[in-house]
Amino acid sequence: DVKVTQSSRYLVKRTGEKVFLECVQDMDHENMFWYRQDPGLGLRLIYFSYDVKMKEKGDIPEGYSVSREKKERFSLILESASTNQTSMYLCASSLETGYTFGSGTRLTVV
Amino acid sequence: QKEVEQNSGPLSVPEGAIASLNCTYSDRGSQSFFWYRQYSGKSPELIMFIYSNGDKEDGRFTAQLNKASQYVSLLIRDSQPSDSATYLCAVTGGGSNYKLTFGKGTLLTVNP
Repeated sequence: DVKVTQSSRYLVKRTGEKVFLECVQDMDHENMFWYRQDPGLGLRLIYFSYDVKMKEKGDIPEGYSVSREKKERFSLILESASTNQTSMYLCASSLETGYTFGSGTRLTVV
Repeated sequence: QKEVEQNSGPLSVPEGAIASLNCTYSDRGSQSFFWYRQYSGKSPELIMFIYSNGDKEDGRFTAQLNKASQYVSLLIRDSQPSDSATYLCAVTGGGSNYKLTFGKGTLLTVNP
């Protein structure tokens, strides 16, 4: 089975901090994605990548950036964390038969 | 903006009944359709995918797709309390990036 590993399950950061969320997949998938999930808003796509060093903005990229230096690793960066970025962050990788999600990182910005 | 619509629920069914979950999508070019199950506090897990019009069965689950009506559904037969979860419908427009647009999910409760 594909394994998608997110480095932290829970994270608490202060406003203004630079935050790195890491995601690693072990199945040589080309496509990787970052979503955030909020009650009542569902899953919203932040950024995705379909190849090393390639990235595209999703629906809500403001305040975020990403890095994909190696195929297996896709990092989400909050340049200056704000309280409205408190959320569950989900990483996924995929082939054409659907995504496999990591276990998620619940980020709280105080 | 591609949209995927689901009734938020909650949908409540008795144990052993058939649960019917529905989803409509706005992009007529959508090619692939997925159902995910998400337990509270957990990440979504893939249950089924369907590409062609008609029915696709996997155990107690049946996915149904009608591209002309832009409608996809998930039937769960012999519902069990362990099926209680939020069910997410997701669609992709195809291409090489397989980007999925998700509905907000339907909360299903199966009562013993």
